[in-house]
Amino acid sequence: QKEVEQNSGPLSVPEGAIASLNCTYSDRGSQSFFWYRQYSGKSPELIMSIYSNGDKEDGRFTAQLNKASQYVSLLIRDSQPSDSATYLCALRPFGNEKLTFGTGTRLTIIP
Amino acid sequence: DTEVTQTPKHLVMGMTNKKSLKCEQHMGHRAMYWYKQKAKKPPELMFVYSYEKLSINESVPSRFSPECPNSSLLNLHLHALQPEDSALYLCASSQERDPGFGGVGNYEQYFGPGTRLTVT
Repeated sequence: QKEVEQNSGPLSVPEGAIASLNCTYSDRGSQSFFWYRQYSGKSPELIMSIYSNGDKEDGRFTAQLNKASQYVSLLIRDSQPSDSATYLCALRPFGNEKLTFGTGTRLTIIP
Repeated sequence: DTEVTQTPKHLVMGMTNKKSLKCEQHMGHRAMYWYKQKAKKPPELMFVYSYEKLSINESVPSRFSPECPNSSLLNLHLHALQPEDSALYLCASSQERDPGFGGVGNYEQYFGPGTRLTVT
């Protein structure tokens, strides 16, 4: 089993709808969770971090963490064509400097 | 400001050349990282410097040599590379603030724009 699993997509969502991206992980010692957005040919951009169970909202983005079920998700409300990118889920175990990345989900927002 | 800068943006080098990639951050971050990313793959960790000391080397070939001259700068020296080393090389930094009593730590990693390396 991979340490971090993401559906590679592509995930197509109509403009204005909610895009839902999911990530499951196997290491119960994971402490910190991150979502990065990466446009083609560009570097990853941190859009959300979440450390505690529950929801964390920032503008149109909501991260949800459930440590008991070992999943973290990212919701994008009112999706825009500019949200079309690959979204990388990453996590970090306690006491470990290494980030473990999922393989990414390619999201396409359809105008 | 969460800016990490990298130079050069693009680099083409022959297999016998020696070149260096540079990375800089002025956020007071304690840790700096080098990643390699191939097309359609996630970033792959190469090295971690913590408090200017090398703390992680992910069994990277010796033709890649990292250097951390001070807390703001990170270099990656390249020598005798192979065509399969062509990739996007990313630098990142993080504050590494441990949580205080009842608090939350800060381990967010911020990436620079990357250097697109082509080995011919």
